[in-house]
Amino acid sequence: DTAVSQTPKYLVTQMGNDKSIKCEQNLGHDTMYWYKQDSKKFLKIMFSYNNKELIINETVPNRFSPKSPDKAHLNLHINSLELGDSAVYFCASSHGTGNSPLHFGNGTRLTVT
Amino acid sequence: GDSVTQMEGPVTLSEEAFLTINCTYTATGYPSLFWYVQYPGEGLQLLLKATKADDKGSNKGFEATYRKETTSFHLEKGSVQVSDSAVYFCALTLYRATGTASKLTFGTGTRLQVTL
Repeated sequence: DTAVSQTPKYLVTQMGNDKSIKCEQNLGHDTMYWYKQDSKKFLKIMFSYNNKELIINETVPNRFSPKSPDKAHLNLHINSLELGDSAVYFCASSHGTGNSPLHFGNGTRLTVT
Repeated sequence: GDSVTQMEGPVTLSEEAFLTINCTYTATGYPSLFWYVQYPGEGLQLLLKATKADDKGSNKGFEATYRKETTSFHLEKGSVQVSDSAVYFCALTLYRATGTASKLTFGTGTRLQVTL
């Protein structure tokens, strides 16, 4: 019954490595997002896709590359990981109707050592 | 730009106490306003929302009224429970055309701790 699911839940890796986080939603939404939550709980949008098309791309380093193979999936690949990338990454989805509420996954805690 | 300001936490209350978490916003248009709640180890869940001035959102005993004149959306609950302990986020989004994303702007979150 999980609506928005992310894997893995925890990810510990070393600097310089490349890693991916996967996200899937079964709500029938056409818009998906990646948010980053830092150690102080501040949430900031990174990317958004609507019907597999990138529509929001905040000032995120190009080491971060989202990929949306279909409307139900939005993956996040991170190259050359840095210490500052350590955070909790949340996937979310919504209907593309302007002010629809977001449904969030439970987050992926990334720790870069 | 658009922004949301929340009161600093943590807020510590005894069970059955009255809760207010202040939220004010700055927006260039007419935003929709939301309160999200994050329980430990989980993602954010929508708690309530209001889409126009004077609307009152309510859910699980929580309420918030969209006050355009004071640009505020304060969260209230008459009697908190230990199970309400969580981080509460105020957020706004401006209307965008159908087929585009809801770009939520979040406040910094307020941690609520309710004790017996």
